[in-house]
Amino acid sequence: ETGVTQTPRHLVMGMTNKKSLKCEQHLGHNAMYWYKQSAKKPLELMFVYNFKEQTENNSVPSRFSPECPNSSHLFLHLHTLQPEDSALYLCASSQALPSSGGVSVHSYEQYFGPGTRLTVT
Amino acid sequence: QQQVKQSPQSLIVQKGGISIINCAYENTAFDYFPWYQQFPGKGPALLIAIRPDVSEKKEGRFTISFNKSAKQFSLHIMDSQPGDSATYFCAASIKGSNYKLTFGKGTLLTVNP
Repeated sequence: ETGVTQTPRHLVMGMTNKKSLKCEQHLGHNAMYWYKQSAKKPLELMFVYNFKEQTENNSVPSRFSPECPNSSHLFLHLHTLQPEDSALYLCASSQALPSSGGVSVHSYEQYFGPGTRLTVT
Repeated sequence: QQQVKQSPQSLIVQKGGISIINCAYENTAFDYFPWYQQFPGKGPALLIAIRPDVSEKKEGRFTISFNKSAKQFSLHIMDSQPGDSATYFCAASIKGSNYKLTFGKGTLLTVNP
């Protein structure tokens, strides 16, 4: 596998279910991202991890819980979702430098996976 | 302040024609302006990007025109091909927070053969 892979590609879950989305990057990057893509809306940045540390939580509801066990893997744990959470969830990665004084420098180019199409019923 | 407004929402062009997609922004702190291309079933992929110190950047058939005073930038696709049919997103980020891309809503381009 090359690039950024995501599994599953499609997921249907009820509002009481618990499921997880998985992302893996094979690019040697050390920054990873979760985005939400809804129809007719701009891509929304949800979380950023830099060297396995979460550096950004863009006011995401707690029913979305990210996990980054290493620089190559990123998970998004889902529980008690709402129908409005139905969307395409995209993972991305980029190169980044270690934080210095709390500021990290990321490569401008982000590489996206194909996404997981989530439907909440 | 963080918005990037993209137009048109959809665009139909004949093969060989020029496709033009426009974006406008308000935040003068933006200093990086990429365009992403997304095919159905795929994630967005970086197509071309520009910094505000230049007014134009060309890569093959793709050109970004940048007007700093008007706070506008546009993507021109010359000699459009059916394989260019995709959704195009403009984006912008602020210096020092270059990973925080603010995206436009996207333009669905259809190039008819």
